[in-house]
Parts: sequence; C-alpha cells; structure tokens
Amino acid sequence: DVKVTQSSRYLVKRTGEKVFLECVQDMDHENMFWYRQDPGLGLRLIYFSYDVKMKEKGDIPEGYSVSREKKERFSLILESASTNQTSMYLCASTPVKSAGANVLTFGAGSRLTVL
Amino acid sequence: GDSVTQMEGPVTLSEEAFLTINCTYTATGYPSLFWYVQYPGEGLQLLLKATKADDKGSNKGFEATYRKETTSFHLEKGSVQVSDSAVYFCALRGVRSSASKIIFGSGTRLSIRP
Repeated sequence: DVKVTQSSRYLVKRTGEKVFLECVQDMDHENMFWYRQDPGLGLRLIYFSYDVKMKEKGDIPEGYSVSREKKERFSLILESASTNQTSMYLCASTPVKSAGANVLTFGAGSRLTVL
Repeated sequence: GDSVTQMEGPVTLSEEAFLTINCTYTATGYPSLFWYVQYPGEGLQLLLKATKADDKGSNKGFEATYRKETTSFHLEKGSVQVSDSAVYFCALRGVRSSASKIIFGSGTRLSIRP
C-alpha cells in the first residue's frame, strides 16, 4: 500500500524553538506539499517541491522553510516557533504524470502545539 | 480567482438518513472537482472526483455530479452509516493548473448518530 508517512503525530514545543516536521513517501512521486489545516479555513498551502532541491512558496510561507535533499523526503522547518503556528500540518504528494497527477495522497498529519 | 464554497457544519444526522453536503465553485473554464474525506485521526483521502461537466463521481455509496450550469458539485449519500462520520472537503483544480493550485473548501464536519 502506497504511503506518505509523517514522523511525528503530536508535538509540543515552546515559543522560539526550532521545529522540524519530516515527511517521507514511498511512491516515487515528484511533487510534495506541506499544508496547514485550521478549523474553518480548510487547507492552506505553505510550500511545495517539484523536484529534489527545488521549492516554491505557497499561499502562507511566512515563518516556514523547507528542505528536499532526497526525492522521497520533504521537511518543513519552523525556524522560531510561535503560538500562531499551533496547527495541524499535512504533507502530501503527487506524481507529475499518469492518472494520479490530479490526486493528492496525504499523510496522517502532525499536530503541533506551541506554548 | 478560483474559489470553493461548501456548507458550514457541523452536520448531525441519524443513521440511514439521506445526506447532502453542498459545494459551489468559482473558476474559469472546466476545472477538475474533488471530494476528500478525513476520518478521525487520519489524513485526507480522495473520496471521488469528476473532470468534466455532467460527470458523476462515485465511491463507497457517495455520489457527486459536476454541474456546470449551477457551478456545483454537491455530495450525496442515500443512507449514511456511523462510519461515515468525518470531515468532508470539496476541492478544485483549475484548468491547466498544477497540483499546487488545488483549492480546498473549509470542510464540513459530519456526525452520524446510531
């Protein structure tokens, strides 16, 4: 079964800490995404990557950075966590071609609480 | 720009009731339309999709028809089960847009009473 795996389901961090959220996919997908999910706001795109070492800003990149050193791994980094970054973070991937190119495959999510 | 509007929740129904969750969109041309579902404690997964006008997507007893004339993609199920309790997201991908341009609605939480 194909999977997107997020390494941490629940994290609690303090304001100012550096936070790493890791995501790994085993489907050889080219595209990977980080979304933030907040009640009443749906999903908002933070960053995406279409290839190793390539990245593009999404709709809400402020306060975040990303890293993609290997095709299967896409990391979201909060350089200095703030309380307004308390949220659910979802990683997703898609292939570039094939019938699945339209369809996002999501991980289970990482719920981050910043105190 | 493109947008998706779906009915606000939460929606609470009794088991075996008929379900409709409304979704309307604004976009140029013929976008692809999706319904994703998020079960408790899990990530989103694709429930169904439609890529052209009058297409009907269906899966697990759920259906949605792509209505260009009303710019709608309402989700329906004839008889819901407790296991259908989840959050449902309507989404669209614009014509000639990449997956990075998929736009999600705000989500509708559905709770089914036994």
